[in-house]
Amino acid sequence: EVQLAESGGGLVQPGGSLRLSCTASGFTFSNYWMMWVRQAPGKGLEWVANIKEDGSEKYYVDSVKGRFTISRDNAKRSLDLQMNSLRADDTAVYYCARGGSVGDIWGQGATVTVSS
Amino acid sequence: EIVLTQSPGTLSLSPGERATLTCRASQTVSSDYVAWYQQKPGRVPRLLIYGASSRDTGIPDRFSGSGSGTDFTLTISRLEPEDFAVYYCEQYGSSPFTFGPGTKVDIK
Repeated sequence: EVQLAESGGGLVQPGGSLRLSCTASGFTFSNYWMMWVRQAPGKGLEWVANIKEDGSEKYYVDSVKGRFTISRDNAKRSLDLQMNSLRADDTAVYYCARGGSVGDIWGQGATVTVSS
Repeated sequence: EIVLTQSPGTLSLSPGERATLTCRASQTVSSDYVAWYQQKPGRVPRLLIYGASSRDTGIPDRFSGSGSGTDFTLTISRLEPEDFAVYYCEQYGSSPFTFGPGTKVDIK
């Protein structure tokens, strides 16, 4: 079965850091762009970042540039999102999805709460 | 950045009725790169349509997408009980990719 599973969410203070991970199974991970999409509580979807199959290209939404870093390890079939200098408006459910622009497979999401 | 507007905000219909959801972009979407997703409460988004009109694998044919340029439509020909949900459009023709605010389809 094709699946994505996120981990690493939690509660963090403003200015803190958190690293999310997403593990893929059931498909050839190295053949796909991957992305992170977030959803603030009660709000809509926001594309955050994506990464090319070999990790050579990465793109970010302006609001996270310089603070978040997307990376992948194809040997481990994993996608990561390192989040630094977190702010209250980063509070959201973070989804990893297969695809760099259109997500056809989504993980269940990791909840990130930024609060003092 | 391309801003997407979805209308109506809420659509109240009965099972069996036709639903027409609209997504309007602030600029022309390159190559009609628009997708539609369905999201039910507490659930993960599900891809319905990509490329404005192509259904994803396993999506029933009662869902159809159309449009070009700045105006796009998702049509559900006959609503089934499981179709009551929030629907989001997304444009991926230019970075940053952006989503609309969603249209909630609820039971009348």
